[in-house]
Amino acid sequence: QSALTQPASVSGSPGQSITISCTGTSSDVGRYNFVSWYQYRPGKAPKLMIYGVTKRPSGVSNRFSGSKSANTASLTISGLQAEDEADYFCCSYAGTSTWVFGGGTKLTVL
Amino acid sequence: QLQLQESGPGLVKPSETLSLTCTVSGDSINSGNYYWGWIRQPPGKGLEWIGSIYYSGTTYYNPSLKSRVTISVDTSKNQFSLKLSSVTAADTAVYHCAKEGTAMSFDYWGQGTLVTVSS
Repeated sequence: QSALTQPASVSGSPGQSITISCTGTSSDVGRYNFVSWYQYRPGKAPKLMIYGVTKRPSGVSNRFSGSKSANTASLTISGLQAEDEADYFCCSYAGTSTWVFGGGTKLTVL
Repeated sequence: QLQLQESGPGLVKPSETLSLTCTVSGDSINSGNYYWGWIRQPPGKGLEWIGSIYYSGTTYYNPSLKSRVTISVDTSKNQFSLKLSSVTAADTAVYHCAKEGTAMSFDYWGQGTLVTVSS
């Protein structure tokens, strides 16, 4: 069970769009439509932003969207805002009641 | 509103057992068919799923930690607990408890507790 691969950092200016990739394998991301994304600020509880690859929980801005192609999932944030600056982690169900997370991506809003 | 809160020692000596408890408020651990999990983040690294327990008590562990991990549930106290034995400095991390939600996501999390392994 290896960690999912994310870029260490991404950046963008206010109003722009950015995409964070999350690459797994055919045993996790590629097999299940159970990819979720979390916004993480140190000292705070992680916040669920996307579940089931594309779905947004109630209260999450529609500027956040998710997608998947083969073994790679993606989180796109459009209309970037200063408040979006945080770490973002992806997670995939990996079968037999196990989960695997990504290494995390630091988003900087320039 | 469901809330989760981790508690336990912030400092553990090498080779000893790390013990943490997650107290759930706002709903009963028994109220639904959910997993309750432990997830950690070592300093400067990504999140790592440690293991989960089903409301019925069935447990599932990360294969890389399985030999050292025990997760249990105490429904009378609305708590679930983590024990990690034979700890080393590599087990230093912020430990979070979380509830599994729709589509195998984790929809509620505790804010985490830092556990440092040091003599």
